[in-house]
Parts: sequence; C-alpha cells; structure tokens
Amino acid sequence: KQEVTQIPAALSVPEGENLVLNCSFTDSAIYNLQWFRQDPGKGLTSLLLIQSSQREQTSGRLNASLDKSSGRSTLYIAASQPGDSATYLCAVLSSRGGANSKLTFGKGITLSVRP
Amino acid sequence: ETGVTQTPRHLVMGMTNKKSLKCEQHLGHNAMYWYKQSAKKPLELMFVYNFKEQTENNSVPSRFSPECPNSSHLFLHLHTLQPEDSALYLCASRRELGKGGQYFGPGTRLTVT
Repeated sequence: KQEVTQIPAALSVPEGENLVLNCSFTDSAIYNLQWFRQDPGKGLTSLLLIQSSQREQTSGRLNASLDKSSGRSTLYIAASQPGDSATYLCAVLSSRGGANSKLTFGKGITLSVRP
Repeated sequence: ETGVTQTPRHLVMGMTNKKSLKCEQHLGHNAMYWYKQSAKKPLELMFVYNFKEQTENNSVPSRFSPECPNSSHLFLHLHTLQPEDSALYLCASRRELGKGGQYFGPGTRLTVT
C-alpha cells in the first residue's frame, strides 16, 4: 500500500528565503507525482506534474524534482513571498492497479511566509 | 481557473433536507472523482467514475448518492446527512483513468445543522 509522507507539517519562514518542501513515498512504482497548493477553505491548484520518466519540472519560481528510486520528491520555492503562504500537498499516482490506480496524498505542509 | 467548476460554493442544510452538489469539467476528461476533506484530515476519496461508469465506491454511506450522466458532469445527491458530514467536498477530473494529472474544482463547503 502506497504511503506518502510530508515532514514537517508546518513551516514558517521570513520573506525572501529559498525553501525546500520534502515528500517521500514508499512504493516507487508510480506513473507520476503531482504537487498541489491549497489555500484555506479552497480547492487544490495543481502546481507541477512530474511523469515517472522525468527528473524535474519548473514553473516560474517553483522547481520540483523526482527521485523515483529513493522515493523522494522536493518542491523548491525561490525567493518566497507572503502570497506563497498556503498548504502544499504532494500526491503520487501508483502504477500498480493499472486503470484503477488512485492518487495517494500526503497530509500537506502548511507554509507561512512572514513579511 | 482549473477547468473544473463546482456549484454551489457554500451550502447549509438541515439533517432532513435533500440537496445536490454539481461538478462540471471543461477539459475533455473521461474520469471524474468526488473527495471529502474534513478539518485536520487528509483528503478522502469517495467515488470514481470512468466514462460515466462508477468504478469505485470507497465504502461511502448511502446517504451520499453520486450520479454521472455524461463524462463532463458529476453530481452528488445528499439526503438525511449528519453533522459529521460537514466538510469541503471536492470534485476532480483526469484525462484518462490511471494516467495524467488530476485537476480539482474549488469545492463546496457543506455545513449540516
């Protein structure tokens, strides 16, 4: 059974810092890994999608890496801003189970960027 | 905008009411999902539909009744709910079951009084 872990559960940093959010998963047999952002009481916004054959994806100040063999992904946020404050969730799509594969979510990291 | 819309955005209902949540996706996706997100808990998958056919019911109580008339629309019919059913209900879609990225709607905040 796939398990996704995100540690720590919460993080507070001053504005301008570069930061790394970590995600680990137990089963390396994945189709892809997705990072989401969720603002309080809102839906999930997809930030980056990394296919299992890829090592990283970039979008603006965000960079996500994937090391499938070690079961790890990191989300790098450059020059953090108060508007980056949100909960960041990591989710993996297992390749076991074929068409019935489901996303397995971590519990998320709640980020607070202080002005 | 993710291409997945949900209505209503907020809903307050009594335990004896019947209401429905609606989800629509404009992405040409074939798989659609209902999730429940309660305070301080991870996302819980409720139902999965693929090409209008239900492929998964994750042991959801019968007071939640999904309906998928076509690949673009998904409903969640609610009746005789309990206060513990209060949560954020999220709809999501994927191009193809088991592949690609998953895209979420903004959610419906449900409060059962």
